[in-house]
Amino acid sequence: EAGVTQFPSHSVIEKGQTVTLRCDPISGHDNLYWYRRVMGKEIKFLLHFVKESKQDESGMPNNRFLAERTGGTYSTLKVQPAELEDSGVYFCASSQEPDFIRGDTQYFGPGTRLTVL
Amino acid sequence: GNSVTQMEGPVTLSEEAFLTINCTYTATGYPSLFWYVQYPGEGLQLLLKATKADDKGSNKGFEATYRKETTSFHLEKGSVQVSDSAVYFCALSDHGGATNKLIFGTGTLLAVQP
Repeated sequence: EAGVTQFPSHSVIEKGQTVTLRCDPISGHDNLYWYRRVMGKEIKFLLHFVKESKQDESGMPNNRFLAERTGGTYSTLKVQPAELEDSGVYFCASSQEPDFIRGDTQYFGPGTRLTVL
Repeated sequence: GNSVTQMEGPVTLSEEAFLTINCTYTATGYPSLFWYVQYPGEGLQLLLKATKADDKGSNKGFEATYRKETTSFHLEKGSVQVSDSAVYFCALSDHGGATNKLIFGTGTLLAVQP
């Protein structure tokens, strides 16, 4: 079974440009999460989809970030316009049924390293 | 709010040495606790988890016990190998509302020398 995949693995763009990151979750996983790690700091939650609905987007830093999950399958995260502080590694994770008692196991992709110059 | 604090790295050990990576947390309620590992060039992998107080998670020789009285979830391994070199992240699952977002520590880089 294929794991979570992310594309591209690396992206280098200039300040002001637009970048779109893509995440393909494990087939059948309704829950999809985006996280990012900036400058070697902690990994921070961005948002959570359940199928195509945004369940929690409290971690989105500002309105330059737009996440979509049309059809409840893959998801995209667009940054427009990109700023220097957006540089970091963006991780996607997916899980099956949510388990609010024990916590669902989230399976992570390899991440996309974004560098904004 | 909920948070995770783990020891600063890097941690450098010789092969077969004993490993401890400290992790403490602050949380309301009863979170689940996790250790994730990121090997060089790879994504995050779940190493082990514990869902309630006094539970012990274990995998690949690593262990961690959920200690509610000390709000800790320290990672231990009796004898590390060069292949254990990686970044280790402690995390808790915030069960608030209808989401299970993970709250991570800053990560601890472990380097094991032959």
